[in-house]
Amino acid sequence: SQELEQSPQSLIVQEGKNLTINCTSSKTLYGLYWYKQKYGEGLIFLMMLQKGGEEKSHEKITAKLDEKKQQSSLHITASQPSHAGIYLCGADDGASYDKVIFGPGTSLSVIP
Amino acid sequence: EAQVTQNPRYLITVTGKKLTVTCSQNMNHEYMSWYRQDPGLGLRQIYYSMNVEVTDKGDVPEGYKVSRKEKRNFPLILESPSPNQTSLYFCASRRLNTGELFFGEGSRLTVL
Repeated sequence: SQELEQSPQSLIVQEGKNLTINCTSSKTLYGLYWYKQKYGEGLIFLMMLQKGGEEKSHEKITAKLDEKKQQSSLHITASQPSHAGIYLCGADDGASYDKVIFGPGTSLSVIP
Repeated sequence: EAQVTQNPRYLITVTGKKLTVTCSQNMNHEYMSWYRQDPGLGLRQIYYSMNVEVTDKGDVPEGYKVSRKEKRNFPLILESPSPNQTSLYFCASRRLNTGELFFGEGSRLTVL
């Protein structure tokens, strides 16, 4: 079955700095989702990527899916304390839509 | 407002005392799913349902039951809870075969 890995596992950055989180799949990604989770709370949907080479942005967050559709990156520009939380990538497990699997998450702390 | 509602949000119970966590969505989604989230293990799928009266096991179904008698509701039943079921549980829904998962706020369960 498909597995997702995320790097780094955790990240501490100074406010205003840029950062990148990576998500790598063992198989071709049919649908890649990025979520943000405040500690112990629900998951907030950020973006969905489906096509190789696709890039989407929302406010200061940009997500990209590589051409081979096996790796995605999430880039935050000029980080703010409000960006702190756990970022999870999720993907449809293969061509079927009965399962969405998730990476282990990247914990982000932003120091004012 | 489109939402997935879980209840209870917090529960402390004792081993063997049957409990049900309810989940309801108001988006007319066909697909619903239950996940548990544990430190170091990430989000793992317990059960999912592609439509009314159609349910299937996820990766960690042992000790859980579900039912899907109505499209909007997908309760998670723990017939005889054990301490290893102490976890943060999330219900999610989406349109069949497309789109992101919409998550509930989570239910934190402690089994003593």
